[in-house]
Amino acid sequence: EPEVTQTPSHQVTQMGQEVILRCVPISNHLYFYWYRQILGQKVEFLVSFYNNEISEKSEIFDDQFSVERPDGSNFTLKIRSTKLEDSAMYFCASHKSLGLAEETQYFGPGTRLLVL
Amino acid sequence: AQKVTQAQTEISVVEKEDVTLDCVYETRDTTYYLFWYKQPPSGELVFLIRRNSFDEQNEISGRYSWNFQKSTSSFNFTITASQVVDSAVYFCALSEALAAGNKLTFGGGTRVLVKP
Repeated sequence: EPEVTQTPSHQVTQMGQEVILRCVPISNHLYFYWYRQILGQKVEFLVSFYNNEISEKSEIFDDQFSVERPDGSNFTLKIRSTKLEDSAMYFCASHKSLGLAEETQYFGPGTRLLVL
Repeated sequence: AQKVTQAQTEISVVEKEDVTLDCVYETRDTTYYLFWYKQPPSGELVFLIRRNSFDEQNEISGRYSWNFQKSTSSFNFTITASQVVDSAVYFCALSEALAAGNKLTFGGGTRVLVKP
């Protein structure tokens, strides 16, 4: 069964460094998302992406964040200058199209980011 | 703005007991989708069930069942005859069909602990 994959599974970085989190959505999906979950807290929406542009972004998604779909398969989240509070699990999700069944978002296993 | 509330932070049961998880949502849209996701200790988010706002018929799928009531804006989820493997955090989520980004808004989660 197709699934969303994410790399790396864990990343440790120093404050101020740039990180790129990678995702490969399910191949026939058109809508892509990034969410984050600070340890012990709820899952929060960061950004949605469709047709090579951002559809919606949250207040969390400030100028330090960017997303890109550099080729036909990868979907990346870049954090330019990481802060301690960026430490979280980052989930990528995708869904096929619109309509109930098609809108079910399937999540990747997550990347746990630790900023020191 | 959309909002999802899961008032129960943690529920502890003994194996084979039924567990009901409460979810209350707020939305101004007339067309929306509701979801339940499971997050086991390994951390991934696993899709369980979905419902659209036009279909209040309650269903059973294996050991899972749900009770959707628009009048009270509730979407409760029941695990029948719980098993130790059901121990996880369960998230209720909402997406508004007409929103630009189709983002999911999650509740705070309910941790379920099933003891043998």
